[in-house]
Amino acid sequence: DQQVKQNSPSLSVQEGRISILNCDYTNSMFDYFLWYKKYPAEGPTFLISISSIKDKNEDGRFTVFLNKSAKHLSLHIVPSQPGDSAVYFCAAVREGAQKLVFGQGTRLTINP
Amino acid sequence: DAGVIQSPRHEVTEMGQEVTLRCKPISGHNSLFWYRQTMMRGLELLIYFNNNVPIDDSGMPEDRFSAKMPNASFSTLKIQPSEPRDSAVYFCASGSGGSYLGETQYFGPGTRLLVL
Repeated sequence: DQQVKQNSPSLSVQEGRISILNCDYTNSMFDYFLWYKKYPAEGPTFLISISSIKDKNEDGRFTVFLNKSAKHLSLHIVPSQPGDSAVYFCAAVREGAQKLVFGQGTRLTINP
Repeated sequence: DAGVIQSPRHEVTEMGQEVTLRCKPISGHNSLFWYRQTMMRGLELLIYFNNNVPIDDSGMPEDRFSAKMPNASFSTLKIQPSEPRDSAVYFCASGSGGSYLGETQYFGPGTRLLVL
């Protein structure tokens, strides 16, 4: 039972354009969401997060949007850069808990 | 700090053999997590510890898997006997514990396990 789903295994975007990565979840008890970025042969690193009391959080080129009614979140990267090429995982957790539930990941490739 | 340290980085073994993966968390962190990454299921939490005590092992696939944390600076994940379906990348992560809001987990580089 996959509570967090990333339905696109891969995404290819031209440098300078916007990258949009999507994530859906099924458990309405989740109230905190995170995005992690993973380069080959490295562990995932934290990128950005959002609480369920917000619908948007922005950090430089990265913005996460949360639509609670649709149980959907997205990560926008603009403008996309070659160094953004990586696997992106979304994750969800309940407040006060430590158990992150991850999606399958989306491999983003930024083409020059 | 060197970050989370995992060993070995790569492991190739034959079906039926025992495999032991090792992790050294970041000094001062009191939470430790073991994850498994596969293409089909992404990152799955296997078990996590708070202050060296196992809190949730519901993600451990079966009795062939066991994890220990004898002290704050060391943890092991053991598979005995190993099977080809155990082939995956295993990550260890550590965190500062407490309320999750605002916390992040710091991942090690992973151990790539191949069971033939």
